[in-house]
Amino acid sequence: QQQVKQSPQSLIVQKGGISIINCAYENTAFDYFPWYQQFPGKGPALLIAIRPDVSEKKEGRFTISFNKSAKQFSLHIMDSQPGDSATYFCAASAGNTPLVFGKGTRLSVIA
Amino acid sequence: DAGITQSPRHKVTETGTPVTLRCHQTENHRYMYWYRQDPGHGLRLIHYSYGVKDTDKGEVSDGYSVSRSKTEDFLLTLESATSSQTSVYFCASGTDIGQETQYFGPGTRLLVL
Repeated sequence: QQQVKQSPQSLIVQKGGISIINCAYENTAFDYFPWYQQFPGKGPALLIAIRPDVSEKKEGRFTISFNKSAKQFSLHIMDSQPGDSATYFCAASAGNTPLVFGKGTRLSVIA
Repeated sequence: DAGITQSPRHKVTETGTPVTLRCHQTENHRYMYWYRQDPGHGLRLIHYSYGVKDTDKGEVSDGYSVSRSKTEDFLLTLESATSSQTSVYFCASGTDIGQETQYFGPGTRLLVL
């Protein structure tokens, strides 16, 4: 059973455009929702994270939107740049349980 | 970057042979994790540790064992490697089991022939 469903699997965006990656979950006990960014040949690194007490969190060009009632959260990358080309993973955890990751989205930003 | 290293970085082995991957962290993190990354499957947790000699199974633990004799070291062993265990393996560490940042190592690419 896939606990966190991520879409799309791949995404191509023009430079300067908005990249949007979506994740959905079923476990209502989840209370921590991070996004990890992975460049080719590297390990993933935390990009931004949100807890369900807020509906949005913004860090620079990266924004997480969280919809508790729909059990969905999404990553928006504004003014996408070629340097943003990477694989993005959403994840979720509940209390003292390990993170569960989505399957990842490969983002390509083309000039 | 958190000081987390993995060795070896690349390994080719034959089916049926034992393989041990090593993860070393210098951050004194309590929690350590082993993941495998495969196309179409994302990151899947194999085993994790919440302290010295304290470990638990993850989502895909069959065929794998782990040991943690020191805070800084977490070993992943494939007792008898199979071709289905060809993958990229990532180690991670952190201060909390799932609520804080996990710091990932650079990965080990394993090919089982």
